[in-house]
Amino acid sequence: EIVMTQSPATLSVSPGERATLSCRASQSFSTNLAWYQQKPGQAPRLLIYDVSTRATGIPARFSGSGSGTEFTLTISSLQSEDFAVYFCQQYDTWPLTFGGGTKVQIK
Amino acid sequence: QVQLVQSGAEVKEPGASVKVSCKASGYSFTGYFFHWVRQAPGQGLEWMGRINPNIDYRSYARKFRGRVTMTRDTSTSTGYMELTSLTSDDTAVYYCARESATTSTLDYWGQGTLVTVSS
Repeated sequence: EIVMTQSPATLSVSPGERATLSCRASQSFSTNLAWYQQKPGQAPRLLIYDVSTRATGIPARFSGSGSGTEFTLTISSLQSEDFAVYFCQQYDTWPLTFGGGTKVQIK
Repeated sequence: QVQLVQSGAEVKEPGASVKVSCKASGYSFTGYFFHWVRQAPGQGLEWMGRINPNIDYRSYARKFRGRVTMTRDTSTSTGYMELTSLTSDDTAVYYCARESATTSTLDYWGQGTLVTVSS
């Protein structure tokens, strides 16, 4: 199975600053990569799919990029509601696998 | 609007089984794959498997084969996940989720069901 590794585990950012989250895959694939946001006590929410396509209702400050084994989620200007845990997920090969998550916290 | 509403929290003893339900509304239940994902306390997300509600086709993660059974009732638009031979390692929040129509991403999720395994 494809192992997804996220870094850093925790990212401390001030409101209004930019956040860059990384996701590395154990084997290369093209575009079958998604990002989810999860707040405490809530289910995950789909943010981005196909590496860079925002899901319905997701603000433009969220963007995704990458290919091969290296993928990035960028939040251009952090808002208070963006402090959460973010997971990447590959859907190139079964089984579906998720990264361990990056917690974005207030600096 | 699309909604997935799961059954309530469960406490089980080691060796027991648990069956979690997830009632779908706001879309055609048989038109989308239905997944189950779990999350142990403070941990990441772990995919358990999926079912095609239309043709009752199931696909399970290797780790859970032999212990998990996913079923559905199309008359009530409800999916079920049963896990047997529970151990403390199965203590987690269990989520149902709908697969997107165009990619194998999970675009709608249930609220989660906490299953606690303890003697």
